[in-house]
Amino acid sequence: DAGVIQSPRHEVTEMGQEVTLRCKPISGHNSLFWYRQTMMRGLELLIYFNNNVPIDDSGMPEDRFSAKMPNASFSTLKIQPSEPRDSAVYFCASSLGQAASNQPQHFGDGTRLSIL
Amino acid sequence: QQPVQSPQAVILREGEDAVINCSSSKALYSVHWYRQKHGEAPVFLMILLKGGEQKGHEKISASFNEKKQQSSLYLTASQLSYSGTYFCGANFGNEKLTFGTGTRLTIIP
Repeated sequence: DAGVIQSPRHEVTEMGQEVTLRCKPISGHNSLFWYRQTMMRGLELLIYFNNNVPIDDSGMPEDRFSAKMPNASFSTLKIQPSEPRDSAVYFCASSLGQAASNQPQHFGDGTRLSIL
Repeated sequence: QQPVQSPQAVILREGEDAVINCSSSKALYSVHWYRQKHGEAPVFLMILLKGGEQKGHEKISASFNEKKQQSSLYLTASQLSYSGTYFCGANFGNEKLTFGTGTRLTIIP
């Protein structure tokens, strides 16, 4: 079975450019999570969706970040304009059911983002 | 609210045992454990729900103590493949996880 698929795997761009990260969750999973991982802050939840609806975006750092899930098989995380401090590895994860408490999360391979 | 893990790092020889602790300042509803190898995605190991149960996965097991708001991961007879960074993910009764500070485990032959 295909796991969570993220693209691109690597992205290098200049400050001020728009960046779009993409995620395809595991088929049948109805919860989707976007995380950011840095050495300083560890693994942080940015936003999560349930049945394509954003449930909690309290982890989104600022208005430059936005996320959408137009259908059950696709989500995007957009940064506009990008800044060097946005450099990190961004992971997408999906899980069955509504509650994160009793379902494992399956992570994609991540997008390594570098903003110059 | 981020759970604190201890130790931050540990080096073991193959065959030795290790314990990794995850402590929370808030009441825990459940705890997840994940392992992440360098340059790879976190991989799910196990979930512990309220009730103080202990679960096992190969030679890796874990316990959950609600009163102490803590979970521990036990690795016995460690193998080279166990190397990586271990994260606990705390659920406080809502629908999301807050990941701990991480414990880097290095197994040497």
